[in-house]
Amino acid sequence: QVQLVESGGGVVQPGRSLRLSCAPSGFIFSSYAIHWVRQAPGRGLDWVAVISYDGSNKYYADSVKGRFTISRDNSKNMLFLQMDSLRAEDTAVYYCARDSYPFCGGDCHIDYWGPGTLVTVSS
Amino acid sequence: DIQMTQSPSSLSASVGDRVTITCRASQGISNYLAWYQQKPGKVPKLLIYAAATLQSEVPSRFSGSGSGTDFTLTISSLQPEDGATYFCQNYNTVPRTFGPGTKINI
Repeated sequence: QVQLVESGGGVVQPGRSLRLSCAPSGFIFSSYAIHWVRQAPGRGLDWVAVISYDGSNKYYADSVKGRFTISRDNSKNMLFLQMDSLRAEDTAVYYCARDSYPFCGGDCHIDYWGPGTLVTVSS
Repeated sequence: DIQMTQSPSSLSASVGDRVTITCRASQGISNYLAWYQQKPGKVPKLLIYAAATLQSEVPSRFSGSGSGTDFTLTISSLQPEDGATYFCQNYNTVPRTFGPGTKINI
């Protein structure tokens, strides 16, 4: 079955960097766009970024643009989120989530979510 | 960017009640609207996509409607396990904004 498993979360000081990973299984990873969505403690869902199935297109929320970089390695079936210049307000559970259809041109909903990894930005 | 709003932010209802949640987009998004259910400590679960299409294995008491800027999620007969927070999401454009959520207390 479709699974996504995030890793790499932890406690980091403000201004430092962290790299999250997402390991998919149960589907052809290289055919699907993948998103990062985060949720601060006790708060709502906050879309962070998306990368197209082939990595050629990437889009970001304004709140992370210039600080976060989404990437993927289809040869190794892995998705990444490089987070630089971290701020306290970046503290959240980070989910990777899959687009619902392969080779989607940008108007597909999210269907599967990973369990998430917690990032805490604190001195 | 398209902003998503939801109302109410929370509600209390009884088992068997009919419950309706509203989601509004700041610009027209056709029917590119999804609804997710999230229980405390759990991952969001897809309920409805394309504004009105029920995801596989989701109980038929859930239904969605709307197009353009105004959307609704209806639970026809509330069950104890429906206590959760419900989020709408625009997937017409990036950023793929979520509504702030509606918490249903049973």
